[in-house]
Amino acid sequence: GNSVTQMEGPVTLSEEAFLTINCTYTATGYPSLFWYVQYPGEGLQLLLKATKADDKGSNKGFEATYRKETTSFHLEKGSVQVSDSAVYFCALKHSSASKIIFGSGTRLSIRP
Amino acid sequence: GAVVSQHPSRVICKSGTSVKIECRSLDFQATTMFWYRQFPKQSLMLMATSNEGSKATYEQGVEKDKFLINHASLTLSTLTVTSAHPEDSSFYICSAWQGAPGANVLTFGAGSRLTVL
Repeated sequence: GNSVTQMEGPVTLSEEAFLTINCTYTATGYPSLFWYVQYPGEGLQLLLKATKADDKGSNKGFEATYRKETTSFHLEKGSVQVSDSAVYFCALKHSSASKIIFGSGTRLSIRP
Repeated sequence: GAVVSQHPSRVICKSGTSVKIECRSLDFQATTMFWYRQFPKQSLMLMATSNEGSKATYEQGVEKDKFLINHASLTLSTLTVTSAHPEDSSFYICSAWQGAPGANVLTFGAGSRLTVL
């Protein structure tokens, strides 16, 4: 079945460090891939998405490229800020289904 | 943009009572809504898919009689935790597609934290 695996946290970095959060998926066909972010005390928000192979989603300095050959959608940011501290969820949606499948989430903490 | 509102944001109840959580799409119609449960270590578990005008589709392992879902209109889905117990304490989150599922943007409510004493 469809599933998403993302790196376990917590991840702690210093401000301005480079960030990578790994995400790999298992799915048939060509799912759409997402990164959602949950800031403390808030609901989930869509951060970025990619709907086909080699697409790059980007938002707020974050990027992720849909790599079908490695079934990956790793999240990257060149220089993190304290305000990026949150929980990040990788997710997929198969074209034939209406529900989204989430990874387990990765908590990111940025030190000033 | 699309907004999904949940109410209440926090609720505390005694063991054995029932609690209802509402999920509303404020500026769009949602034929399908989803209910998730978020555990303390942040993992997000899909509980059920709420379908307007028909029965909800529950994920494996979720008790239908325990977590009653009603989707009576295109803008409202409710989750009722019946005979709540301390182990039901959790953060419940709803979400909805704006328009057709192919829109590929799922909007989430801010969540409802349930504490059962």
